[in-house]
Amino acid sequence: GAGVSQSPSNKVTEKGKDVELRCDPISGHTALYWYRQSLGQGLEFLIYFQGNSAPDKSGLPSDRFSAERTGGSVSTLTIQRTQQEDSAVYLCASSGGGRQPQHFGDGTRLSIL
Amino acid sequence: AQSVSQHNHHVILSEAASLELGCNYSYGGTVNLFWYVQYPGQHLQLLLKYFSGDPLVKGIKGFEAEFIKSKFSFNLRKPSVQWSDTAEYFCAVSPISGNTGKLIFGQGTTLQVKP
Repeated sequence: GAGVSQSPSNKVTEKGKDVELRCDPISGHTALYWYRQSLGQGLEFLIYFQGNSAPDKSGLPSDRFSAERTGGSVSTLTIQRTQQEDSAVYLCASSGGGRQPQHFGDGTRLSIL
Repeated sequence: AQSVSQHNHHVILSEAASLELGCNYSYGGTVNLFWYVQYPGQHLQLLLKYFSGDPLVKGIKGFEAEFIKSKFSFNLRKPSVQWSDTAEYFCAVSPISGNTGKLIFGQGTTLQVKP
């Protein structure tokens, strides 16, 4: 497909478990972003990758959150020891960098029981 | 701290009514400005953007927005809404410093257009 692909589309897990969310950006896009959309908090920036540069992790809410981007393409967002407040829609976006617009995926809806 | 404020959380209009959604931001430096739309069941899409130049920018589907620097505002307008404009609208800013392109979003405004 031509768009940003995220998987799974829905994830339900028990409190305390670890989860991994995946993002396949648009081919050739060098910049990749993770955002979180939750009730009461709106859309929040989490982390940004650009090429081989060190990621901007300034939006990660705690050290339970981490992300990596392998080979400059696919990215995985990992949440360890999930808490109920982690329930949200996690959005991935990619762009060609600079002023290029960000293209968003459909998101992963994460529910922590 | 950087923040974006959207004044209207839920707007209900009849078709053909005019629309204006307010957006103000708080940031001391230069920013790029955006409006995104999320139609029911779809992903976020870019409506329009402002980087520099003419402060009145036109986007897709007849939308426009005006950047007023002195008011730190970037209000979205449409002269005549359609039922298909029912969606959630997000204002966002991206600080130019750091050149990351990361977006700071407002809380969103849900627009419901009655046929």
